[in-house]
Amino acid sequence: QVQLVQSGAEVKKPGASVKVSCRTSGYTFTGHYIHWLRQAPGQGLEWMGWIGCSSGDTNYTQKFHDRVTMTRDTSINTVYMELSRLTSDDTAMYYCARDGAFENWGQGTLVTVSS
Amino acid sequence: DVVMTQSPLSLPVTLGQPASISCRSSQSLVYSDGNTYLHWFQQRPGQSPRRLIYKVSDRDSGVPDRFSGSGSGTDFTLKISRVEAEDVGVYYCMQSTHWPPWTFGQGTKVEIK
Repeated sequence: QVQLVQSGAEVKKPGASVKVSCRTSGYTFTGHYIHWLRQAPGQGLEWMGWIGCSSGDTNYTQKFHDRVTMTRDTSINTVYMELSRLTSDDTAMYYCARDGAFENWGQGTLVTVSS
Repeated sequence: DVVMTQSPLSLPVTLGQPASISCRSSQSLVYSDGNTYLHWFQQRPGQSPRRLIYKVSDRDSGVPDRFSGSGSGTDFTLKISRVEAEDVGVYYCMQSTHWPPWTFGQGTKVEIK
């Protein structure tokens, strides 16, 4: 069955960067896209961008385009999302999801930004 | 960007009674291929979102048939025919017709009276 397993919780200081991984299994990795979304505490869902797992092409929402980098490693079927210049507003649960209708989700990675 | 507006934002329901959530989009969600890419997600407390319904009315595998989706154009509805305790959570509609960005409604919190 399709599984997306994310890396563990992170605590970062303001100004630092965080890199979250999403390890996939149960399907052909290079035939799909992975999207990243986030959810601030008590808030709704916000789409951040996607990466094509075959080509490595990316598309980021304007809000994050100068701070986010999505990459993939086809040898281990894993996608990464790195967010730089963190502020307290970036404290959130970060999710990876498969394809444009978000059929499958990771379990989430809590990123806490605190001095 | 397409704005998705859900109502109500809070929905107290009695066990065994029906529930209905409305979702409206700021523009038609009919894509050039004739499909309408409007989807519904359930997020139980402390869990990741889970897709329930895709393309307006198609139920995902394993989703109980008490959940149904309907609508067209800019107006959509998620219905729960008889609410059970496990249905407590927040429900989101999302559109993937006009992207980027993918956009969600604000969420509707379903709780038991």
